[in-house]
Amino acid sequence: QKEVEQNSGPLSVPEGAIASLNCTYSDRGSQSFFWYRQYSGKSPELIMFIYSNGDKEDGRFTAQLNKASQYVSLLIRDSQPSDSATYLCAVNTGNEKLTFGTGTRLTIIP
Amino acid sequence: EPEVTQTPSHQVTQMGQEVILRCVPISNHLYFYWYRQILGQKVEFLVSFYNNEISEKSEIFDDQFSVERPDGSNFTLKIRSTKLEDSAMYFCASSIQRTENTEAFFGQGTRLTVV
Repeated sequence: QKEVEQNSGPLSVPEGAIASLNCTYSDRGSQSFFWYRQYSGKSPELIMFIYSNGDKEDGRFTAQLNKASQYVSLLIRDSQPSDSATYLCAVNTGNEKLTFGTGTRLTIIP
Repeated sequence: EPEVTQTPSHQVTQMGQEVILRCVPISNHLYFYWYRQILGQKVEFLVSFYNNEISEKSEIFDDQFSVERPDGSNFTLKIRSTKLEDSAMYFCASSIQRTENTEAFFGQGTRLTVV
């Protein structure tokens, strides 16, 4: 069974601080990794994807991938109350299939 | 900005009835997917569709489920005889290439309630 694990939270971070979200995956052959944001009752919204080891930055968001450790993370700098949501880690574990983690609920405290 | 659109946003149906969920993927995308999310649980893959045929499906996607691209724009999910446990949010997604190589964009979802 190919698993994607996330700490369910809730993770509380003061406004303006850095939020750090983590994800581990079991399938060593996984090639691509995605972070989605999901507000309650809404659909997943893509934030970032990463394929190569290292860091990838997009605005306030940085994705980090370490394939040797089977670990992917998302950093959110200068956290805003609007960042409060559930963050889903998704891993491509087949030709087209994404396997999702349970998500980490993030709350930004004003 | 192009987006995946789904209809209806909410569907209530009686157990045993057939339902069809509809999706219009992003126009230049070639790969189409259905996922579902039972309330409080993780998003689960159901099926992927490319070149007018199923390319991958999960254990959830049994004989009660089918997908179709009846014309050049719509992509549908049919559940033949709904069960209570089919109650969930169903998300359609599309991508321009396989998700090994690119991202998938999700529609706003259809909330299916089976009573």
